[in-house]
Amino acid sequence: DTAVSQTPKYLVTQMGNDKSIKCEQNLGHDTMYWYKQDSKKFLKIMFSYNNKELIINETVPNRFSPKSPDKAHLNLHINSLELGDSAVYFCASMRAGGYEQYFGPGTRLTVT
Amino acid sequence: DQQVKQNSPSLSVQEGRISILNCDYTNSMFDYFLWYKKYPAEGPTFLISISSIKDKNEDGRFTVFLNKSAKHLSLHIVPSQPGDSAVYFCAATMYSGGGADGLTFGKGTHLIIQP
Repeated sequence: DTAVSQTPKYLVTQMGNDKSIKCEQNLGHDTMYWYKQDSKKFLKIMFSYNNKELIINETVPNRFSPKSPDKAHLNLHINSLELGDSAVYFCASMRAGGYEQYFGPGTRLTVT
Repeated sequence: DQQVKQNSPSLSVQEGRISILNCDYTNSMFDYFLWYKKYPAEGPTFLISISSIKDKNEDGRFTVFLNKSAKHLSLHIVPSQPGDSAVYFCAATMYSGGGADGLTFGKGTHLIIQP
């Protein structure tokens, strides 16, 4: 059983398109996150979300929006894709009161 | 503005010897530190962690040391095994923030275990 799963694994699309990446966790965790790993290999937090609060990293463009249909899912919607959005996106989750985050396998987004 | 730094992009160690991976941080508000291991095309996997109230935490072959005054931590792997070859990320967080701020990662160190 995969604890944190993401779909798709790979996503190739053209500039200007709108796309979504899905994330699901079956750990019963309360908080979920999206991270971006850019070409320089830095992993940076984009969003953290639990059923009470959405925290947005101030550097994330408003073209990016997380959507949580329920506690186990946190999807990432990206509008008007740009070349610079090409990266690997990781979803993660953490239990309440915990420290460790559990990561999904990543989605490699390529914008052409 | 890198708050967590791993200054060695790569490290090569002979199988059976000790691997030492280093990490420095600048934000004195960080109070919890973690190491993650990452294989290609996979997500980071949690390895070991340490709270700022401790200076050492051990789990099998893995030991993390924290020097708060120097804002430095290190991960020791002994003995090193071929399966340890991976990229290791150091991460830090302010636990007092309840996890809302997420983890701040270093750039990673690629550990290569030579047979």
